[in-house]
Amino acid sequence: QQQVKQSPQSLIVQKGGISIINCAYENTAFDYFPWYQQFPGKGPALLIAIRPDVSEKKEGRFTISFNKSAKQFSLHIMDSQPGDSATYFCAARDDKIIFGKGTRLHILP
Amino acid sequence: NAGVMQNPRHLVRRRGQEARLRCSPMKGHSHVYWYRQLPEEGLKFMVYLQKENIIDESGMPKERFSAEFPKEGPSILRIQQVVRGDSAAYFCASSLIDRSGTYEQYFGPGTRLTVT
Repeated sequence: QQQVKQSPQSLIVQKGGISIINCAYENTAFDYFPWYQQFPGKGPALLIAIRPDVSEKKEGRFTISFNKSAKQFSLHIMDSQPGDSATYFCAARDDKIIFGKGTRLHILP
Repeated sequence: NAGVMQNPRHLVRRRGQEARLRCSPMKGHSHVYWYRQLPEEGLKFMVYLQKENIIDESGMPKERFSAEFPKEGPSILRIQQVVRGDSAAYFCASSLIDRSGTYEQYFGPGTRLTVT
């Protein structure tokens, strides 16, 4: 059973554009929703995270939008840059972290 | 403050051999988590340990896999009699738990295990 569903699998965006990655979850016990960024050959690094009592969180060019009733959340990367090219994982936590399958993002220069 | 350290970074084993993966948590962190990542997949939780205790091993295969986090030294993930399907990247993460009960997990660079 896949508890956290992530889409799209891959995404190509022009430099300066907005990258949007979507996730949906099943378990209402999840209390924390982090996003991780992973470069090839590296471990995942925490990018930004949100709790379900907040509908939006913004840090620089990265924004999480959270819809508790729909059990969906998304990552928006504004003014996308080639250095943002990486794999992004959404995740959800109750007592352990459950990861989505990842989105491979490529920003065209 | 050094991050989470894992070694070796790459490990090649023949079928039937044993693999030992080591993880040193960040300084001050007493909670360690192991995850497995197959190609083109997300990370799958395996086990959560505190010093000398296994807290949650619900993601560990029932056979051949074991983990420990001794009072002194790194956490060890041990895979006995490896098979080709064990080939994956294994990531360790560490955390501390603050007074509110919240925590962040910080990941190491991973060990890439190849079984030939």
